[in-house]
Amino acid sequence: EVQLVESGGGVVRPGGSLRLSCAASGFTFDDFGMSWVRQAPGKGLEWVSDIHWNGGSTAYADSVKGRFTISRDNAKNSLYLQMNSLRAEDTAFYYCASNHGSGSYPPGYYWGQGTLVTVSS
Amino acid sequence: QTVVTQEPSFSVSPGGTVTLTCGLSSGSVSTSYYPSWYQQTPGQAPRTLIYSTNIRSSGVPDRFSGSILGNKAALTITGAQADDESDYYCVLYMGSGIWVFGGGTKLTVL
Repeated sequence: EVQLVESGGGVVRPGGSLRLSCAASGFTFDDFGMSWVRQAPGKGLEWVSDIHWNGGSTAYADSVKGRFTISRDNAKNSLYLQMNSLRAEDTAFYYCASNHGSGSYPPGYYWGQGTLVTVSS
Repeated sequence: QTVVTQEPSFSVSPGGTVTLTCGLSSGSVSTSYYPSWYQQTPGQAPRTLIYSTNIRSSGVPDRFSGSILGNKAALTITGAQADDESDYYCVLYMGSGIWVFGGGTKLTVL
């Protein structure tokens, strides 16, 4: 059974940091590029970042560039999102998703169930 | 900054056909934008329906189809059913590894 399981969400103060993890199983993780997609409560989807199969290329939305860092460990079948200098507007459910290919392909071949990040004082 | 546009809401009768669109605030959508479509019900993760313009994801019924219509990407649902009532999102590739979602369309089946 294919699974993407996010963890690491929680409540953090503005300016703080958080690291999200996504554990993959049931498929060949390093065949796929991976993405993070977020959704503020009651709002639409927002693409955040993606990373190629080997970690050799990454991309970020302007809203998070310079503050968030995506990475992966293929030996551990895991994807990460290091989030620094968090702002209230980063409050959202964060979904991990595999891409439809090894590079920057459309996200969502598989989806996780999401983890909630709340930035509040 | 280019904005991806979608109809905020749409309604369709049960058994009817509806076409949702995905455009750009400036310019035309082509296959080079690899338009993809997602369905989401409240409290659930998104579900991918169509990717790269017209490729149906595994398990998606063939009453969902994707295309380019004029200067926009389009998602057509034929024979609408009650459980098609959801939010629908498109995403477009802007180059340099960047993807941008549209604001979503809330589809009502009544």
